[in-house]
Amino acid sequence: DAGVIQSPRHEVTEMGQEVTLRCKPISGHNSLFWYRQTMMRGLELLIYFNNNVPIDDSGMPEDRFSAKMPNASFSTLKIQPSEPRDSAVYFCASSLMVGDRAFENRETQYFGPGTRLLVL
Amino acid sequence: KNQVEQSPQSLIILEGKNCTLQCNYTVSPFSNLRWYKQDTGRGPVSLTIMTFSENTKSNGRYTATLDADTKQSSLHITASQLSDSASYICVVRGGGGFKTIFGAGTRLFVKA
Repeated sequence: DAGVIQSPRHEVTEMGQEVTLRCKPISGHNSLFWYRQTMMRGLELLIYFNNNVPIDDSGMPEDRFSAKMPNASFSTLKIQPSEPRDSAVYFCASSLMVGDRAFENRETQYFGPGTRLLVL
Repeated sequence: KNQVEQSPQSLIILEGKNCTLQCNYTVSPFSNLRWYKQDTGRGPVSLTIMTFSENTKSNGRYTATLDADTKQSSLHITASQLSDSASYICVVRGGGGFKTIFGAGTRLFVKA
């Protein structure tokens, strides 16, 4: 398996521009997670989906951030408009959740290589 | 307040030596605790996941322990190798509304 695939790997944009990050989870996985990592704040969970449905988006910073999962093999994280403080590495992860304990996230999550975003 | 604190912040050891990393948390109620290894420039890799009823879990040379009473976990690395140089992140799931709380990580350097 190719693992979790993220694109682009690097993105440089100017403040105010729209940024779209993409993620393809591992085939067969039913849960997908978006994380952000910065030196100042460390890792943060932004949002996660189970069976393409957003379960918890409480980590999304503000209305400028939105995430979608139109099908089981694709998700996007969009920032519009982008700001310099959005500069970070954005990771996507996927897992196979079993049973009805989706809120507990007990299963192993497999991370993608990340997208390094720089907003000037 | 739900928090996860890791110690030490950084650690330098000689190849072949053992080391122990610490994670203390105040998250309540508790669901599970994970240890991740993150190499520079790469995504985290899951090492162990433990729930309330599990005290110890091993993954090769990595052994994690959990004391749910004292809210402490440790990650023991045996016979360290140069490839163990990485950041090790403790993550706790729980709290009201099932939040995911990350520790700041311990940066481990293994020297030849």
